[in-house]
Amino acid sequence: DQQVKQNSPSLSVQEGRISILNCDYTNSMFDYFLWYKKYPAEGPTFLISISSIKDKNEDGRFTVFLNKSAKHLSLHIVPSQPGDSAVYFCAAINGNTGKLIFGQGTTLQVKP
Amino acid sequence: KAGVTQTPRYLIKTRGQQVTLSCSPISGHRSVSWYQQTPGQGLQFLFEYFSETQRNKGNFPGRFSGRQFSNSRSEMNVSTLELGDSALYLCASSLDAGEEQPQHFGDGTRLSIL
Repeated sequence: DQQVKQNSPSLSVQEGRISILNCDYTNSMFDYFLWYKKYPAEGPTFLISISSIKDKNEDGRFTVFLNKSAKHLSLHIVPSQPGDSAVYFCAAINGNTGKLIFGQGTTLQVKP
Repeated sequence: KAGVTQTPRYLIKTRGQQVTLSCSPISGHRSVSWYQQTPGQGLQFLFEYFSETQRNKGNFPGRFSGRQFSNSRSEMNVSTLELGDSALYLCASSLDAGEEQPQHFGDGTRLSIL
């Protein structure tokens, strides 16, 4: 039972345009959400997070939007750069158990 | 500040063997979590240790076990290895259990079962 789903395995975007990565979740006990970026042969690195009491968090080129009613969050990267090409993982924390649950990941390719 | 260190980076084993993976967290971090990454499955949570105690456990069989030492270093053990255990095993550490303290990942141990 995949509680955190990233339905798009891959995404290709032109440099300078917006990248939008989507994530859906099913467990209403999730109260904190994070995005991680992973390059090949490296561990994931933390990118940005959002608490369930907010609907938007921005950090430079990265913005995360949370729609609790739809159980959906998205990561916007503007403008996209070739160095952003990586696998992006959405993750959620269960407020009851403290467990961090990851999605399957979306591979982003930003073309120059 | 040194990051999370995992050893070894690569490991090849055969079915039926056992393996022990090691993780040294960032200095001062007391929480260590382990994940299994396989193609198409993303990162699946194995377990979390805090102050030498297992605090959370994922849905993996009992062949997967772990422990944490007093210096917060952690080991993960997999016994009676199966072909399906081939994966990247990632360790992550954080200062404490708080939600707003994101985990810092090591580069993983790539385990291949022949």
